[in-house]
Amino acid sequence: AQSVSQHNHHVILSEAASLELGCNYSYGGTVNLFWYVQYPGQHLQLLLKYFSGDPLVKGIKGFEAEFIKSKFSFNLRKPSVQWSDTAEYFCAARPGNFNKFYFGSGTKLNVKP
Amino acid sequence: GAVVSQHPSRVICKSGTSVKIECRSLDFQATTMFWYRQFPKQSLMLMATSNEGSKATYEQGVEKDKFLINHASLTLSTLTVTSAHPEDSSFYICSASSVSSETQYFGPGTRLLVL
Repeated sequence: AQSVSQHNHHVILSEAASLELGCNYSYGGTVNLFWYVQYPGQHLQLLLKYFSGDPLVKGIKGFEAEFIKSKFSFNLRKPSVQWSDTAEYFCAARPGNFNKFYFGSGTKLNVKP
Repeated sequence: GAVVSQHPSRVICKSGTSVKIECRSLDFQATTMFWYRQFPKQSLMLMATSNEGSKATYEQGVEKDKFLINHASLTLSTLTVTSAHPEDSSFYICSASSVSSETQYFGPGTRLLVL
């Protein structure tokens, strides 16, 4: 079955620590990949997306993600997290030409000040 | 960015009653709207996709007679949970996209509790 996996359910970091959140997907063909963030009490917001081209994509607020096709991965990274990055992060995939998103289970990030 | 609203944000109802949730795109025309359901500590599960003016397409395992979806205009879609039961209690999220958008814009969600 088609799926998106996020292996880290809850991550706790201190400010200035580096962040990497894992995301793997199981689609074999063309896929668009997304990371969304949900700050406490707010809507899901788009952080960044990958459609094609440079596999290293940069998003808002200093986040970036790398698409590694051979590993079916699209991990999210940030060199130095801030307390304001405390939120839940969702990876999503949109296979081929289908206008459907499949989401991972989310990773809650707590950044200690 | 594009704004999507949902109403109500929270609803409590008795078992057997029906509940309607509205999803509105406030500043763009949403040709497609999506309805998701989210269980605690789980991912968003796509329930159905609706295109303006046509019948919704339901995902496998989602009862279309239970979850009625209407997308009568380019700015409004509604989800009606009919004859709600406690197991329907969940967080329902809608999203919307336009012809030109590469992503979906999400509403804030509606928490449904069926007693």
